[in-house]
Amino acid sequence: DQQVKQNSPSLSVQEGRISILNCDYTNSMFDYFLWYKKYPAEGPTFLISISSIKDKNEDGRFTVFLNKSAKHLSLHIVPSQPGDSAVYFCAASTFSGNTPLVFGKGTRLSVIA
Amino acid sequence: KAGVTQTPRYLIKTRGQQVTLSCSPISGHRSVSWYQQTPGQGLQFLFEYFSETQRNKGNFPGRFSGRQFSNSRSEMNVSTLELGDSALYLCASSSEGGFNEKLFFGSGTQLSVL
Repeated sequence: DQQVKQNSPSLSVQEGRISILNCDYTNSMFDYFLWYKKYPAEGPTFLISISSIKDKNEDGRFTVFLNKSAKHLSLHIVPSQPGDSAVYFCAASTFSGNTPLVFGKGTRLSVIA
Repeated sequence: KAGVTQTPRYLIKTRGQQVTLSCSPISGHRSVSWYQQTPGQGLQFLFEYFSETQRNKGNFPGRFSGRQFSNSRSEMNVSTLELGDSALYLCASSSEGGFNEKLFFGSGTQLSVL
C-alpha cells in the first residue's frame, strides 16, 4: 500500500511558466511534508517543507500548499527554469520526527526552453 | 564542509554473492539512514542508525543489515544477492536523526546483480 502517491510520473512545462507537482497521502498520522529534488547521478537534495499547522510555505520561486482535508499537497515553481528539470520526490513524516520518511515514486519535470 | 560520501559508486555482483556498501556522513552528523531506490518503487527506507544503534528499520528481509561505527560512518550489507536487489542505494545523514530534519544524501551506490 502506497502511503504517499505522486500520480504523474512526468511533467513538461515551458520555461517561464508555472510548474505544479502534486502529491497525495493516505496516512492521517503524517503531519510533516517535504519535497526533494534529484538530478541524475546525484543524491536527492532538500527543497522545501511544510508542517500541518500551515497551509502554505514559500521559499523564493518554490511554494508548497497543503490541503489537510483532502490529504493533498502541491509544489508550485514560478517561473520555471531549465535548471529545474529533475525528478521531484514528495515525502511525509511526523512532526515529532520519530517516523521514517515515506517517499512517493517521484515526478520527472522537464522545463523546455 | 564535505558532503555525504558513498563508496563505491558502482558495483556489479552475481546472484548469491554478498556486498558491503560504505557511507561517511557529514562531519558532526550522528544519524545515518539508508534508502533503496528502484524505478518502480521510488525511495524505500531500509534502516537508520544513531550513535551506533539501529533506531528504525524498514520492511526489508534480514538479508539486509547495517552497522554504524563510533565515528558515525556506516556500512550496509546485503547477503545472498537476488536479481531484485539491483538498485541505487542512498545514504543520508542528519545531525540528530529526527525525520523532521533535513536529510543530506550522498550520490549513492548503483548495484547491479547479474
